[in-house]
Formats: sequence, C-alpha cells, structure tokens
Amino acid sequence: QSVLTQPPSVSGTPGQRVTISCSGRSPNIGSSAVNWFRQLPGTGPKLLIFKNNQRPSGVPDRFSGSKSGTSASLAISGLRSEDEADYYCAAWDDSLNGALFGGGTRLTVL
Amino acid sequence: QVHLQQSGPGLVKPSQTLSVTCAIYGDSVSSESVAWNWIRQSPSRGLEWLGRTYYRSKWFYDYAVSVRSRIIINPDTSRNQFSLQLNSVTPDDTAVYYCTRALYDSSWTHFDSWGQGTRVTVSS
Repeated sequence: QSVLTQPPSVSGTPGQRVTISCSGRSPNIGSSAVNWFRQLPGTGPKLLIFKNNQRPSGVPDRFSGSKSGTSASLAISGLRSEDEADYYCAAWDDSLNGALFGGGTRLTVL
Repeated sequence: QVHLQQSGPGLVKPSQTLSVTCAIYGDSVSSESVAWNWIRQSPSRGLEWLGRTYYRSKWFYDYAVSVRSRIIINPDTSRNQFSLQLNSVTPDDTAVYYCTRALYDSSWTHFDSWGQGTRVTVSS
C-alpha cells in the first residue's frame, strides 16, 4: 500500500479538464516538493511537474500542478487521446529519509 | 541533459545477488549538487525508492527500510557510474529497476533523469 494516495483511475473526454489528486502527510507532501510523472506502457516514468508546479522544458502548459498542505494535484486541460497513461506523484519523506510514490492513476480518454 | 545507461542481467536465481550498473553521461557521479538513486517498479509494489548515494566532500548512503539489510549502492568514480547490489533475492524482488538522478537546492526537489530500466526476474 502506497503512502501517497492517488485515485486508481480517472477519465475524461477530449478537450475536457481533469485533475488527479495525491494525498500524503506532514513529513512528506507537507514538507517536500511534489513531482508528477507520466508513464506510457513499456516505458519509464517521465517528469511532468517538479517543485509542486514547475514544468520542465518541453512539457506543454496544459499540464499544471498545485499543492496545499498535505495534498497535491495535477491538472490536465484540453485533454487529448495521447494523454492516456499512468500518472504518479512523488515526494521526499523527512521521517523516512527516502522518496515516496503514489500508487498511480490510470487516465482514460473516452 | 544527463543520460543514464543501465546494464545488468535480466535473470537471477533465488538467494543470489542482483546487480545492475548505471553509467552516467553528461554529469559526474561525484557532483556535489545531485544524488544518484535506485528505484524499482513491480505490479505488487508499484514504484519503490530503494536508496541513494551522493558526494558532499565524502560519500553518503541512504537506504529504504524494506531493503536496508540486503542493499549496497556503490559509486565508481573511475568509470563515472554507480551500481545496485541486492543480496539474497526472492521472487518478490522481481521488478523493473531504474537508476535516476535527483536534484537539490536546500533539499530534494525532483528526479529529473531516468535510466531505460532493467527488467529483472528472480526465478530458478
């Protein structure tokens, strides 16, 4: 069982906006930067968001992140079929002195 | 942008040692602003951080509690790479293993670069 809690699945239609939540605790999300990753089948995770809301170069501004207290969210606007993937949040945990990941959310574009 | 290239066997027998190496291109294993990590992924465990090594005037190591008694992460400055060694493996260690680079400012910020992954199966 992952310490960071994500919904197992979300869905949306093309053009729609969807959000994925990530819930943690004070020693992790409450104290740490949050990352978001996207993973396509058969490939490794790719960084989408770092430091809660920063996008690496090349990541479109359709992807945005936010954090409040011990929860974080990833929003995807203008949904496209190619956004179908698994999405993971990650944070550092000061009490464990290690990184934690969410269990992943499968995004389906209907 | 840094490139991480993994190598290692895909099949390990139970009770033996799993070894995967990560060659670093575009950065130095001795860089004092990053850390070098191992993460694994399996259907049963999801993404699991295993440990890290980093250099701040000397070498430091941190390991996940779940594998602390069985893991060694070893930097190799002569080859600019680092390796994962996991001892006494069981079928539960079957996973895809990734090496990653972590960036820091005053604290950890993110894993920005990942190796291609090494699928390791533990089976006799």
